[in-house]
Amino acid sequence: QSVLTQPPSASGTPGQRVTISCSGSSSNIGSNTVNWYQQLPGTAPKLLIYSNNQRPSGVPDRFSGSKSGTSASLAISGLQSEDEADYYCAAWDDSLHVVFGGGTKLTVL
Amino acid sequence: QVQLVQSGAEVKKPGASVKVSCKASGYTFTSYDINWVRQATGQGLEWMGWMNPNSGNTGYAQKFQGRVTMTRNTSISTAYMELSSLRSEDTAVYYCARGRVVVGTGFNWYFDLWGRGTLVTVSS
Repeated sequence: QSVLTQPPSASGTPGQRVTISCSGSSSNIGSNTVNWYQQLPGTAPKLLIYSNNQRPSGVPDRFSGSKSGTSASLAISGLQSEDEADYYCAAWDDSLHVVFGGGTKLTVL
Repeated sequence: QVQLVQSGAEVKKPGASVKVSCKASGYTFTSYDINWVRQATGQGLEWMGWMNPNSGNTGYAQKFQGRVTMTRNTSISTAYMELSSLRSEDTAVYYCARGRVVVGTGFNWYFDLWGRGTLVTVSS
């Protein structure tokens, strides 16, 4: 049982906009910032969004993040086949550890 | 280039220990924390703890307290994660990841560089 809650799956067609939600509590998302990781099949995770809405160099602006209260969202616009991956949200929890969501498997139909 | 290179796959018997290495290159090893994250097959990510390569200070997730030890050798820019008293549930891919900490409006702890992972299989 993960501390942060994500839907197990999401899907969309090429060109569509999809969002993935991440729900936490006052001790993690509610008081600290949220990060998102993308894990392509058979590879290591990669930082996608940090500090709620910042993109590392090289990440397309099709990816965006937001946070409100104890929840966060990742949005992917102009969906592409190469976006098919697992997506994880994460945050620092005030009980002194990093917590992850259970991951959302994104399928591009 | 900037990378973290991990040691190869391991097979261990229940009760044994495993030590995984993570060699940093392309940046100053002592300037960033190293974190360890594991992932069982088909499962999500689980944070195990962090180590400051400069001071050697560590912080472990409560679940692994007493079983995990994170160390480093700064002369070869390498971090190590040793997990003892292995059981079948420890079978997973273990990743090292460079940590970034930002203190501002809230606390941000994220991982901007990952190793490729080391598969540890625990089986009798």
